[in-house]
Amino acid sequence: AQSVTQPDIHITVSEGASLELRCNYSYGATPYLFWYVQSPGQGLQLLLKYFSGDTLVQGIKGFEAEFKRSQSSFNLRKPSVHWSDAAEYFCAVGSMEYGNKLVFGAGTILRVKS
Amino acid sequence: GAVVSQHPSRVICKSGTSVKIECRSLDFQATTMFWYRQFPKKSLMLMATSNEGSKATYEQGVEKDKFLINHASLTLSTLTVTSAHPEDSSFYICSAILAGVEQYFGPGTRLTVT
Repeated sequence: AQSVTQPDIHITVSEGASLELRCNYSYGATPYLFWYVQSPGQGLQLLLKYFSGDTLVQGIKGFEAEFKRSQSSFNLRKPSVHWSDAAEYFCAVGSMEYGNKLVFGAGTILRVKS
Repeated sequence: GAVVSQHPSRVICKSGTSVKIECRSLDFQATTMFWYRQFPKKSLMLMATSNEGSKATYEQGVEKDKFLINHASLTLSTLTVTSAHPEDSSFYICSAILAGVEQYFGPGTRLTVT
């Protein structure tokens, strides 16, 4: 069965500190991987995606993620967090083999302290 | 580009009534749209896949007679919650595929059933 694990429910970092949000997946097909961000009461905004090629992908707002096939991971990173980054972050995996459906992780709530 | 809208953003209805939620792709045509439900402090749960011109495909455990989905055109899908009950109160989010597996999400609709 397909699944996505985000082991950290909450993470608190200081403004200006670096950030890494973890994502592991279990998937029976060639995965496409995504990170989305959601502010309270809002929809999801795509931060970045990995389809193929370079395993280090750059996204919006200074985020990047690295696909590591051997570890089935797609961790999200940012070198310096801003207070406006406080939100909930979702990792998702999909595949054309599974009808383009996305499987989401449980989400990680990021708190930024000043 | 790739903007998806939802209407209404919030709706309150009485138990037993029906509510329609619209999902529109504003600047692209989407042959496939998805409907998700998000419980408080939870991840997104896929309810159904909506394909233009054909019947929606529902995920296991989702009542198709309760959650009616119509994909009338390449830019519009509707979700009707029939005979709503308080347990149907939730945040409903739609998404549309622009190309491949990349989904663009609407801002969500908060449904409260009293």
